[in-house]
Amino acid sequence: KAGVTQTPRYLIKTRGQQVTLSCSPISGHRSVSWYQQTPGQGLQFLFEYFSETQRNKGNFPGRFSGRQFSNSRSEMNVSTLELGDSALYLCASSSGTGVRYEQYFGPGTRLTVT
Amino acid sequence: GDSVTQMEGPVTLSEEAFLTINCTYTATGYPSLFWYVQYPGEGLQLLLKATKADDKGSNKGFEATYRKETTSFHLEKGSVQVSDSAVYFCALSDRDYGNNRLAFGKGNQVVVIP
Repeated sequence: KAGVTQTPRYLIKTRGQQVTLSCSPISGHRSVSWYQQTPGQGLQFLFEYFSETQRNKGNFPGRFSGRQFSNSRSEMNVSTLELGDSALYLCASSSGTGVRYEQYFGPGTRLTVT
Repeated sequence: GDSVTQMEGPVTLSEEAFLTINCTYTATGYPSLFWYVQYPGEGLQLLLKATKADDKGSNKGFEATYRKETTSFHLEKGSVQVSDSAVYFCALSDRDYGNNRLAFGKGNQVVVIP
């Protein structure tokens, strides 16, 4: 079974631009969560989608948004990029919600904002 | 809100040494606890978990016991190998949330020297 894939793997953007990152979950998984990983703040939860509905959202500004499609693929968008948005963005998929279901993480997208 | 605290700084040790990484948590509910491992260039992998007090999670020689009285979930391995070199994250999920939101500690880089 193929794992979680994230595209692109690396991205360089300029301040003020917007960016869209993509996550394809493991086949059959309906939950996709997104995390931001930085050296200073560590891993922080952005949001979770389940069956195209946002179930939970972390403490990030409205510039960060996401969506999930009917095939469970998910995208996250960051508008008006700031230098502080430079980070590794990880997504995780799961077949359900709750601790009974293991979350599988993708390799991440490394975003650099200049 | 819920949070996880890991001991500061990287951990460097020799092959076959005993490894301990401390993890304590703060949670309003009754969380489930996890250890994830991240190898260079990869996403996070679930190492072990425990869902109730006094549960012991174990995998690949690693163990951690859920201690509600001390709000701790310390990771241990009796004899480390060079292949155990990675970053280790302690995490919690408040199972009352009914979703896949994880709160992570800052992580500890473990370097095992031959």
